[in-house]
Amino acid sequence: ETGVTQTPRHLVMGMTNKKSLKCEQHLGHNAMYWYKQSAKKPLELMFVYSLEERVENNSVPSRFSPECPNSSHLFLHLHTLQPEDSALYLCASSQVNFGDTQYFGPGTRLTVL
Amino acid sequence: SQQGEEDPQALSIQEGENATMNCSYKTSINNLQWYRQNSGRGLVHLILIRSNEREKHSGRLRVTLDTSKKSSSLLITASRAADTASYFCATEGGSYIPTFGRGTSLIVHP
Repeated sequence: ETGVTQTPRHLVMGMTNKKSLKCEQHLGHNAMYWYKQSAKKPLELMFVYSLEERVENNSVPSRFSPECPNSSHLFLHLHTLQPEDSALYLCASSQVNFGDTQYFGPGTRLTVL
Repeated sequence: SQQGEEDPQALSIQEGENATMNCSYKTSINNLQWYRQNSGRGLVHLILIRSNEREKHSGRLRVTLDTSKKSSSLLITASRAADTASYFCATEGGSYIPTFGRGTSLIVHP
């Protein structure tokens, strides 16, 4: 256990559905991240929140909408996804300090039909 | 891009052998980290080496960093079947946000 939990662990959704991924960290960290991991591709950074403010948004399509209500919780709201959005979505947290370690959750395996 | 690139992409060895994987990057860094990922799971941090360090050890892991060649290596000694996983390097060069490579897939046969 890394202290970062993600729910659900698996999600299958149609292209017209709306769903949300949840991440919670119990480490007292002040930065949280969403990553997308597709087969044969490097880990793609999607969003970064530092002290509950979004500081990074790597040209992610608007069908992905993050929310960070407090420093312990991070959501990724999904709507009208495409089959190519099927991937493992990983949440991570860290302290906003020089070169600190990231702690990852177990991921949500998303399949878009 | 300072994204690290791991080499080889895949490595298959017998239990008890040593496994070496390399990471190369393009621009100067503050630190470099190695992570491990079991199939379909989250990444687990293994070791961090700062730009002013040349070598670090942690149990059966040995990491080296050569900033002149912009490369790092991860050595796993006396490998075990449980070491089977993907290994990623992540470079950080000015922000607190690391950049990950594609990873090396290691298979250790019992």
